[in-house]
Amino acid sequence: NAGVTQTPKFRVLKTGQSMTLLCAQDMNHEYMYWYRQDPGMGLRLIHYSVGEGTTAKGEVPDGYNVSRLKKQNFLLGLESAAPSQTSVYFCAIRSRGGNTEAFFGQGTRLTVV
Amino acid sequence: GDSVTQMEGPVTLSEEAFLTINCTYTATGYPSLFWYVQYPGEGLQLLLKATKADDKGSNKGFEATYRKETTSFHLEKGSVQVSDSAVYFCALRERSNDYKLSFGAGTTVTVRA
Repeated sequence: NAGVTQTPKFRVLKTGQSMTLLCAQDMNHEYMYWYRQDPGMGLRLIHYSVGEGTTAKGEVPDGYNVSRLKKQNFLLGLESAAPSQTSVYFCAIRSRGGNTEAFFGQGTRLTVV
Repeated sequence: GDSVTQMEGPVTLSEEAFLTINCTYTATGYPSLFWYVQYPGEGLQLLLKATKADDKGSNKGFEATYRKETTSFHLEKGSVQVSDSAVYFCALRERSNDYKLSFGAGTTVTVRA
């Protein structure tokens, strides 16, 4: 999906390890989101940001931290990975204004063993 | 808060069959409504949207009408193709909280030749 790049695309972690997922955008949108997608549960919002230097918790923030030091980047960190964090993670961006669409990255498939 | 409920899947159809995926919403105001589609191995992308009552969104042969009286935004396509096999998500943007975008659980559709 043009404009939103997620890194890495795949990762296998051992329980207790840490990692950072990077979301980078080139569309200059204000809002950035991290979702996780699990079978039968749809998309659940982990954290989001409404602008550079701001972050807020979503529905399922426990075990994750985020930072948005630059407008174009939104980082999702797992300090101590758990098997329950095995999921597909999606970053999304959106510009301010109610009718604007969200653009999604290709996803990061994370497995915690 | 505002939320969407969509028909559970999976749905399996034959080519050229009629497809309907039900979506209803709960909102305190007048949200904007969206349908997103996720093809295998990809992120979500916007399929269509409607921003006020009685609006009809349409794209790629799909249609959905914003029905305020029944708080619904059902997705329909008259003749599906194998290439329509995907996961479909109904989504809602709260008018009072511009940043907030809520998704349904997703409906997996498989079209057989």
